[in-house]
Amino acid sequence: DIQMTQSPSSLSASVGDRVTITCRASQSIGRYLNWYLQKPGKAPKLLIYDASNLQSGVPSRFSGSGSGTDFTLTISSLQAEDFATYYCQQSYGTLGTFGQGTKVETK
Amino acid sequence: EVQLVESGGGLVQPGGSLRLSCAASGFTFSSYVMSWVRQVPGKGLEWVSAISGSGARTDYADSVKGRFTISRDTSKKTLYLQMNSLRGEDTALYYCAKDRRRWGNSPEGADSWGQGTLVTVS
Repeated sequence: DIQMTQSPSSLSASVGDRVTITCRASQSIGRYLNWYLQKPGKAPKLLIYDASNLQSGVPSRFSGSGSGTDFTLTISSLQAEDFATYYCQQSYGTLGTFGQGTKVETK
Repeated sequence: EVQLVESGGGLVQPGGSLRLSCAASGFTFSSYVMSWVRQVPGKGLEWVSAISGSGARTDYADSVKGRFTISRDTSKKTLYLQMNSLRGEDTALYYCAKDRRRWGNSPEGADSWGQGTLVTVS
């Protein structure tokens, strides 16, 4: 099974900060990597698919990069509504496994 | 507008069974891979099962293989998850999710989710 490891597990940031979250796969997954945002009590929301493609309706301050085993989600200028938990998910294997999540909290 | 509405969750004893349903609307149901993803409250996400648009292909996480069965009824636009031999570790919020890509065979990323239905095994 493909394991996904995110870092950090949590981070503290302020509105306007540039935030970077990394995700590492236990084996090469090409560019089959998605990013989601989840707020408390809500379902996950797809932000990025295939490593770097912005899902329709997602603000351009979100971007993704990487291939193979190492991937990055960047928020160029953190907004109040971005405080949430972020998950990476590989779609290379039969069933997509998720990372453990990164909680972005207010500093 | 895509809508996914789950139902069927509840409290069940270990060893018992439940059938979850997900009523879909707002898209061509038969064209998309559909999945069940679960989340223990306060914890991370786990992809449980997926089914192709035709229903010909199904996949399961090792943790539920042999106990859970995913199916779909195109005429009713409904996704199901039959859960048997339930265990305490199956306690979670179960989400129904629609894949982003039409005519896929396996999950490539879920662009629409329901609100979830809570299953408690105790």
